[in-house]
Amino acid sequence: RKEVEQDPGPFNVPEGATVAFNCTYSNSASQSFFWYRQDCRKEPKLLMSVYSSGNEDGRFTAQLNRASQYISLLIRDSKLSDSATYLCVVNGIGGTYKYIFGTGTRLKVLA
Amino acid sequence: GAGVSQSPSNKVTEKGKDVELRCDPISGHTALYWYRQSLGQGLEFLIYFQGNSAPDKSGLPSDRFSAERTGGSVSTLTIQRTQQEDSAVYLCASSLYGTSEAFFGQGTRLTVV
Repeated sequence: RKEVEQDPGPFNVPEGATVAFNCTYSNSASQSFFWYRQDCRKEPKLLMSVYSSGNEDGRFTAQLNRASQYISLLIRDSKLSDSATYLCVVNGIGGTYKYIFGTGTRLKVLA
Repeated sequence: GAGVSQSPSNKVTEKGKDVELRCDPISGHTALYWYRQSLGQGLEFLIYFQGNSAPDKSGLPSDRFSAERTGGSVSTLTIQRTQQEDSAVYLCASSLYGTSEAFFGQGTRLTVV
């Protein structure tokens, strides 16, 4: 089983739609959680950290469910510029502080 | 500088040659990471530094790969006797401490011909 699993998509949604991505992780000892976005042929960029209490940044909402080992990202009112690959990232597994990346979920927002 | 800086941005080398890739992390960041990403693939962890020590180098694919970090700052990833399968984008990231947010450089695109 992969340490971090995501649906690869692609998700094709119209502008203005709400879209949700999910991610599961295998190690309950994981310590920190993030969503990154990666545009084609660019480096990953931090979108937001994810906390157990849930957190929101504008149109983006992230949730962490430690009991189910599940992370989600909700994007409201999708824009064309949201088209990218969204990477779920987990850190602190097994006492090491490397970041484990999911393979990413591709989102395409259509005009 | 404001962000993580990597050099060179592109490198074309002949099979069998050695290459050195450089990473300048964000000032004050104690943790530094190397990843690589092949075309259309996910990020593959290579090595992690805390200060000048490498507590986790489990991702280095072979003994042709080595990395060092000096002065708790700049890091160099060296690939000896390059092979075509080494062609990828090599990404460096730094974070303030082990579990905080990581910030990536723009990467070095390595092509082995």
